[in-house]
Amino acid sequence: GQQLNQSPQSMFIQEGEDVSMNCTSSSIFNTWLWYKQDPGEGPVLLIALYKAGELTSNGRLTAQFGITRKDSFLNISASIPSDVGIYFCAGPYGGSQGNLIFGKGTKLSVKP
Amino acid sequence: GAGVSQSPRYKVAKRGQDVALRCDPISGHVSLFWYQQALGQGPEFLTYFQNEAQLDKSGLPSDRFFAERPEGSVSTLKIQRTQQEDSAVYLCASSLEGRGGFNEKLFFGSGTQLSVL
Repeated sequence: GQQLNQSPQSMFIQEGEDVSMNCTSSSIFNTWLWYKQDPGEGPVLLIALYKAGELTSNGRLTAQFGITRKDSFLNISASIPSDVGIYFCAGPYGGSQGNLIFGKGTKLSVKP
Repeated sequence: GAGVSQSPRYKVAKRGQDVALRCDPISGHVSLFWYQQALGQGPEFLTYFQNEAQLDKSGLPSDRFFAERPEGSVSTLKIQRTQQEDSAVYLCASSLEGRGGFNEKLFFGSGTQLSVL
């Protein structure tokens, strides 16, 4: 079946650093979504991408829809403490934008 | 309410017990989804409602899982004869548009954390 592979699995950030993470798939997606989940909460949509090659920003976040349609990237610039959490990529399948397959997430933590 | 509301927040069940999890979607939202999130994993799709119609239940792991949305608003996910592998966070999400809508943006609730002992 379809799988989304996210890397890195986890990373530590220091305030002010830029952060990059990516998501790859064995099959093509026509939409890529990036969510953030805080502890004890549900995922919140950060960015939606609808076209191959598309680059979309939301504040300090920038995401790109890969040309091959099998990958996507998320960058966070000048990270702040509230950026910690788990970031998930997701893509729709089965003919509905709401039937989503999620990756396993990239966990951002603050450097001790 | 302003967002998707789920109750209870936490549920502890003994193995074999039946449980019912409630979801109050955002008022007026057509679509409602249930997802299961195991520890350290991403959410996995369980089932989808458009209004009161359950259009997709392909993700339900067994016939012990049953969901309903009789009046097209509140939904209940019922798990019969719970097993330890059912322990997970159950997330509900709603969307303003129906299936195929361009902007099927999902709004998730905070989930119900189910622990089966």
